[in-house]
Amino acid sequence: QKEVEQNSGPLSVPEGAIASLNCTYSDRVSQSFFWYRQYSGKSPELIMSIYSNGDKEDGRFTAQLNKASQYVSLLIRDSQPSDSATYLCAGDTGANSKLTFGKGITLSVRP
Amino acid sequence: DADVTQTPRNRITKTGKRIMLECSQTKGHDRMYWYRQDPGLGLQLIYYSFDVKDINKGEISDGYSVSRQAQAKFSLSLESAIPNQTALYFCATSDSSGLAGSQYFGPGTRLTVL
Repeated sequence: QKEVEQNSGPLSVPEGAIASLNCTYSDRVSQSFFWYRQYSGKSPELIMSIYSNGDKEDGRFTAQLNKASQYVSLLIRDSQPSDSATYLCAGDTGANSKLTFGKGITLSVRP
Repeated sequence: DADVTQTPRNRITKTGKRIMLECSQTKGHDRMYWYRQDPGLGLQLIYYSFDVKDINKGEISDGYSVSRQAQAKFSLSLESAIPNQTALYFCATSDSSGLAGSQYFGPGTRLTVL
């Protein structure tokens, strides 16, 4: 089993809707989690990090971590066309910040 | 100027050729990474270095080698390129005193092996 799994999508939502992106992980990835956004033809950029169970909010973005169920999610409220990108979930194995990435999910926000 | 730069940005080469991809950073970070990205496969770690004297293999190091010439420079070499090494290659950096997993990526090098 790959250590970090993402539904490959793509995911399409209308402008203004909530986009929900999900990620599951194996026991080897259990410390902290990160969401990277990658626009087409660009490099990934970090948008959210979460270490503790529960929710973490930053503007229109909310990261959720449930360690008992081994999933992490990213909610994007009031989705905008500019949110259209590939979102990569990554977990820190705890071994000095070596990240394991999921395959990514492509989000398309329809105007 | 960009904090993490990669050269070349695009490269087309032939099977069996030796290729070097270079990465430089001005962020002052001690940790550097090389990833490859294939469509539908996400980012896969090739090699990583936590300081000049510390280099480690990642998930897919076979067919690749690296050199950390200085804290700011980390090069990736393909000794004898093969077509399935055609991919987008990213260099990334992070600071050991900062947030774990907070990595800064270069613009990428698109490599095509014919």
